[in-house]
Amino acid sequence: AQSVTQLDSQVPVFEEAPVELRCNYSSSVSVYLFWYVQYPNQGLQLLLKYLSGSTLVESINGFEAEFNKSQTSFHLRKPSVHISDTAEYFCAVELSGGYNKLIFGAGTRLAVHP
Amino acid sequence: DGGITQSPKYLFRKEGQNVTLSCEQNLNHDAMYWYRQDPGQGLRLIYYSQIVNDFQKGDIAEGYSVSREKKESFPLTVTSAQKNPTAFYLCASSRGDDYGYTFGSGTRLTVV
Repeated sequence: AQSVTQLDSQVPVFEEAPVELRCNYSSSVSVYLFWYVQYPNQGLQLLLKYLSGSTLVESINGFEAEFNKSQTSFHLRKPSVHISDTAEYFCAVELSGGYNKLIFGAGTRLAVHP
Repeated sequence: DGGITQSPKYLFRKEGQNVTLSCEQNLNHDAMYWYRQDPGQGLRLIYYSQIVNDFQKGDIAEGYSVSREKKESFPLTVTSAQKNPTAFYLCASSRGDDYGYTFGSGTRLTVV
């Protein structure tokens, strides 16, 4: 069975500082990896995903994540955060091939302070 | 614009009453899902459906029921058998390939 571990439940950071949100997964078969973002009282929005190919994937708002197969990790990074990045971030894994369930981590709350 | 609509956004019910949460999508997605979200626990899968007239239990199906009579609709009923129903409920849909899920904006259910 697949599982996802987000190593930090909360990450406080000052505006314009870099940030890394950590995600490790376990699976014996090939998977797709996702990061979703959730703003208060809203649904989840897809931030970025890794399916295959280049191990570094980027989002349109400056986040990036790197798939590391040997360490079974998919950490999310941003070199300079903004107040508007304050939200909860979820890492998720899905068996490759389609029509499979997304398994979510417990989430990391990113709090950006001025 | 295509998307998923969950209604209502907030719902209050008395203990012991059944309540049905609505989820409608116009994305022509085959698969639909219901998740429950509690603080510090992430999202847990309640039920999912890959085609019309078929659905499977997720990890926490006890006390919940669903139907999938139309491709666009996947309502969730929270029954009186659910011991702790107060939570944020999220509906999602997918094409069944590698594009990930599209989520609704959620329904916050409070049982008093």
